[in-house]
Amino acid sequence: DIVLTQSPALAVSLEQRATISCKTSQNVDNYGISYMHWYQQKPGQQPKLLIYEGSNLASGIPARFSGSGSGTDFTLTIDPVEADDIATYYCQQSKDYPRTFGGGTKLELK
Amino acid sequence: QIQLVQSGPELKKPGESVKISCKASGYTFTDYAMNWVKQAPGNGLKWMGWINTQTGKPTYADDFKQRFVFSLETSASTAYLQINNLNIEDTATYFCTKSGPGYFDYWGQGVMVTVSS
Repeated sequence: DIVLTQSPALAVSLEQRATISCKTSQNVDNYGISYMHWYQQKPGQQPKLLIYEGSNLASGIPARFSGSGSGTDFTLTIDPVEADDIATYYCQQSKDYPRTFGGGTKLELK
Repeated sequence: QIQLVQSGPELKKPGESVKISCKASGYTFTDYAMNWVKQAPGNGLKWMGWINTQTGKPTYADDFKQRFVFSLETSASTAYLQINNLNIEDTATYFCTKSGPGYFDYWGQGVMVTVSS
């Protein structure tokens, strides 16, 4: 199985930049596409797709969210952070089965 | 608009079974696979597997091959997850989620299943 590793928490100030990392145990790129996706989950809610295939913004997601990276190292950036962004963020790979998620990064206010 | 609406919370005893539903609307049900994801209290997301909505063929992740059953009622655009012989470790929220190509673009609101004696 492909293991995805995220830091458990990140403290950030409002209006600053947050960078959340996800490292994979195997390359999740293929034919120029990164099979890496990002989700936001607030307490008591279902996850919401933010970024798909490495860097593509999902429908309705504000442009302050962006995704980057390739191979085994990926980053979700939120710039600037707003109060509504306080949540847990998960990465997920679809290069291989089983689909796997990172453990989640809880974004907290400094 | 695309929606996945799941059934309500469940309280069960160990050894019992539960069947939860996920009704899709706003798109052609058979055009996209349906996946199931488990989230234990305070924990992260775990992919359970998926069901081909055209053929009804389920595929289970290794940890979910024994007591878990995915099924469909295509005429009602509804997917089901049944868990048999429930144990305490099955206490979790279960989400259905529609597949994009590899990613999960729409999610149900989740069903909390509590297993307690």
